[in-house]
Amino acid sequence: AQRVTQPEKLLSVFKGAPVELKCNYSYSGSPELFWYVQYSRQRLQLLLRHISRESIKGFTADLNKGETSFHLKKPFAQEEDSAMYYCALSPLGGGYQKVTFGTGTKLQVIP
Amino acid sequence: NAGVMQNPRHLVRRRGQEARLRCSPMKGHSHVYWYRQLPEEGLKFMVYLQKENIIDESGMPKERFSAEFPKEGPSILRIQQVVRGDSAAYFCASSPTSAPLGHEQYFGPGTRLTVT
Repeated sequence: AQRVTQPEKLLSVFKGAPVELKCNYSYSGSPELFWYVQYSRQRLQLLLRHISRESIKGFTADLNKGETSFHLKKPFAQEEDSAMYYCALSPLGGGYQKVTFGTGTKLQVIP
Repeated sequence: NAGVMQNPRHLVRRRGQEARLRCSPMKGHSHVYWYRQLPEEGLKFMVYLQKENIIDESGMPKERFSAEFPKEGPSILRIQQVVRGDSAAYFCASSPTSAPLGHEQYFGPGTRLTVT
């Protein structure tokens, strides 16, 4: 079974402060990890995936297999980063693979 | 490309009525996924469909819920004899191929179902 845990429901930081949204996963095989974001009154959209190793809007996430974590980080928070963030996991491999989402963390950036 | 469309955006039903939620995937996408988001909870997978086929319905409640994706027209999530516990936001996503093989899922704006 695959599971994604986001321990924080709400994370409040001041503008300019570093941000770290925690994500831990449980899966016995090789996972593919994602971060999705949902801004206010907008639809859920992909922020980044670990395979592409991109930095999107200043956010990065490193897959740590030893700690089974995929924390999302940004060195300096901006007000426009306020949103709901969901970590997600899918088994890595060919064919159909179900995506499992965490419960989400609401990031609130205080001006 | 208008993106994934869902309608209605808001739906109010009395207990015992039927709810029909529609999802039109992005142009060129033949894979549809339905998720439910209960208050204060994350997204829960319900069902994955391709045209005319249910591929994975492991997240669907055993009773009252059904889904289809006909050859023509939108995907439909049907909830019969709704109860208060069905009140939630229902999201649809689509992908051009079996995600996530290089293609992420594109989400619709959701339908917020309220059962009174």
